[in-house]
Amino acid sequence: ETGVTQSPTHLIKTRGQQVTLRCSSQSGHNTVSWYQQALGQGPQFIFQYYREEENGRGNFPPRFSGLQFPNYSSELNVNALELDDSALYLCASSLWGLSTDTQYFGPGTRLTVL
Amino acid sequence: AQTVTQSQPEMSVQEAETVTLSCTYDTSESDYYLFWYKQPPSRQMILVIRQEAYKQQNATENRFSVNFQKAAKSFSLKISDSQLGDAAMYFCAWGSARQLTFGSGTQLTVLP
Repeated sequence: ETGVTQSPTHLIKTRGQQVTLRCSSQSGHNTVSWYQQALGQGPQFIFQYYREEENGRGNFPPRFSGLQFPNYSSELNVNALELDDSALYLCASSLWGLSTDTQYFGPGTRLTVL
Repeated sequence: AQTVTQSQPEMSVQEAETVTLSCTYDTSESDYYLFWYKQPPSRQMILVIRQEAYKQQNATENRFSVNFQKAAKSFSLKISDSQLGDAAMYFCAWGSARQLTFGSGTQLTVLP
C-alpha cells in the first residue's frame, strides 16, 4: 500500500509570487484535504477535494485554490504570497463514504516566504 | 464552530511509566469522531488512535488508550509503558466527514 506523498519537501519564495504544491493520495483513497500548520500551532483546514470538486473550505482567502485530478492526486495553489503564508502544508487523504473521517497525512511541504 | 483545547503545552514521562494527555472539545454536532495524532520531528502526522462519538466503549491500540467522556466533552490519551520513540508532539483532533479541527498540541518528552 502506497502512502500519501507530497512534493517538494521544501520551497522558498518571495512575497507576491505564486506557488504550487503537489500531493498524491494513498492508494484506494478518493478524497484529499489540505492543511496549513504554522510554527508551534496545530494544523488549520484549508479545503477538501472529492470527485475533482471542492467539498468544503476553511477560513482561507480565495488566493488559496486547488485542483484534484482523475487519479485523485491534488494541487494546492497560493497566489500573491504573503509572509504569513510561511508554514508547513500538509496533505491528507481518505476514502469518502467508508471511513471518510480518518485522514492519513503526507510528510508535508515546508514553504518559506521571504 | 468546533474548538479543541489541549491545556498541557509540555509533558514529560519516565521511560516505562504511564502518562495521560488531556483534551477537551466543544461541538454542537452529535455525529463526529475524535483522534489523537503524533507528530515527531520528521513532521509526518501519524494516526495514534480513533474514537467514534456514538460508541461508549473507549478505544485501545496496544499501549495507547483513551478516556472518552462525551457529556464532559473530554478525550484524554493514556500511554502505558512509555518508550523513547513515543517522544513527539501529540495533537488531539475533532473530525467530521469533511475536516479535522486540531488542538494546539502537547510536546511529550520521554526521559531515559
